[in-house]
Amino acid sequence: AQTVTQSQPEMSVQEAETVTLSCTYDTSESDYYLFWYKQPPSRQMILVIRQEAYKQQNATENRFSVNFQKAAKSFSLKISDSQLGDAAMYFCAYRSYHYGGATNKLIFGTGTLLAVQP
Amino acid sequence: GAGVSQSPSNKVTEKGKDVELRCDPISGHTALYWYRQSLGQGLEFLIYFQGNSAPDKSGLPSDRFSAERTGGSVSTLTIQRTQQEDSAVYLCASSLAGLGSGQPQHFGDGTRLSIL
Repeated sequence: AQTVTQSQPEMSVQEAETVTLSCTYDTSESDYYLFWYKQPPSRQMILVIRQEAYKQQNATENRFSVNFQKAAKSFSLKISDSQLGDAAMYFCAYRSYHYGGATNKLIFGTGTLLAVQP
Repeated sequence: GAGVSQSPSNKVTEKGKDVELRCDPISGHTALYWYRQSLGQGLEFLIYFQGNSAPDKSGLPSDRFSAERTGGSVSTLTIQRTQQEDSAVYLCASSLAGLGSGQPQHFGDGTRLSIL
């Protein structure tokens, strides 16, 4: 079974600075997807960024980028120029690469609570 | 609607009562998921619906939990004889189905369930 581990329960960053959130995972599969979701106090899970395991290039979305190390099974999220609105719980998630009707459930880590200091 | 809609937003009930939670997915999304988020934990998969296929119920924690999806759209998650350990936020997500499951899941705001 696949597992996702986030070893940092809480992190803090100064506004405009850069912060990196860690995520490791365990799987025997070779093809899969990795995600970072943001959950503000409103509870809604918002997709931040997605990485396909078969792509070597690290995904980037504006101020958000990942460092995907497939051999090390590591998937960290870097937030540049942190803003007050970035304060939230961040979850790393894994999904197998399935065809057809197989379950495409997400497997989540326990989250990292990010505080942004003004 | 524009996003996944869940109701009620909050539900407080007494131990032993039955509850129904509702999810209205994004129009056109054939895949629908229920997850549970307990305090301080990540999300735990409960059940998955895909079109007219039999649902994957492998994540349901006990036979007190059940879910339906009528007409391939709205879904209800029912918890019978609620227990205090059922207290959690229940999140629903939907996605387009596609080869390789690359479609992202879009989440609702969840229902916070509190069992007294």
